[in-house]
Amino acid sequence: DIQMTQSPSTLSASVGDRVTITCRASQSISTWLAWYQQKPGKAPKLLIYKASSLESGVPSRFSGSGSGTEFTLTISSLQPDDFATYYCQQYNSYYITFGGGTKVEIK
Amino acid sequence: EVQLVESGGGLVQPAGSLRLSCAASGFTVSSNYMSWVRQAPGKGLEWVSIIYSGGSTYYADSLKGRFTISRDNSKNTLYLQMNSLRAEDTAVYYCASGVGNSWVWGQGTLVTVSS
Repeated sequence: DIQMTQSPSTLSASVGDRVTITCRASQSISTWLAWYQQKPGKAPKLLIYKASSLESGVPSRFSGSGSGTEFTLTISSLQPDDFATYYCQQYNSYYITFGGGTKVEIK
Repeated sequence: EVQLVESGGGLVQPAGSLRLSCAASGFTVSSNYMSWVRQAPGKGLEWVSIIYSGGSTYYADSLKGRFTISRDNSKNTLYLQMNSLRAEDTAVYYCASGVGNSWVWGQGTLVTVSS
């Protein structure tokens, strides 16, 4: 099974900050990686697919990069609506796995 | 509009069974890979099962044969049959589909296993 290690687990930031979340795969997954935002009581919302493709309707302040085993999600200027939990997901193999999540809190 | 709507969740006693449904619209279930993902209260996302367009199915090792994924092409609906339910199966269950290179998720259905 491919393990996804996401860091940090918690991040305290202010509105306007540049935020970076990292996801590391235990083996190469090419670019078969997605990023999600989740708010309490809601389904995950797709932000990025194929490592760097922005989902339609998602603000351009969100961006993804990486390939192989190292991936990052960057929020260029944190907005009040962005305080949430973020997950990465690999879908390179049939055994899909998720990172443990990063909670972005208000500093 | 591409959409997934889950149903069938509820309260069930330990060792009981439940069948979840996921109705798709805007795309064809049989032409895409369809998956179930669950989230226990206060926990992260856990992949449960997947069915590919060709019919191949795979399951998380932790389920030990208790769950079965299937689909009804005529109803464009995905199912998850859950047997021998345990307290630790309590979670919100989401269906999700890889449509093109992207992913579509439903809103989830809550399953509570308790006596």
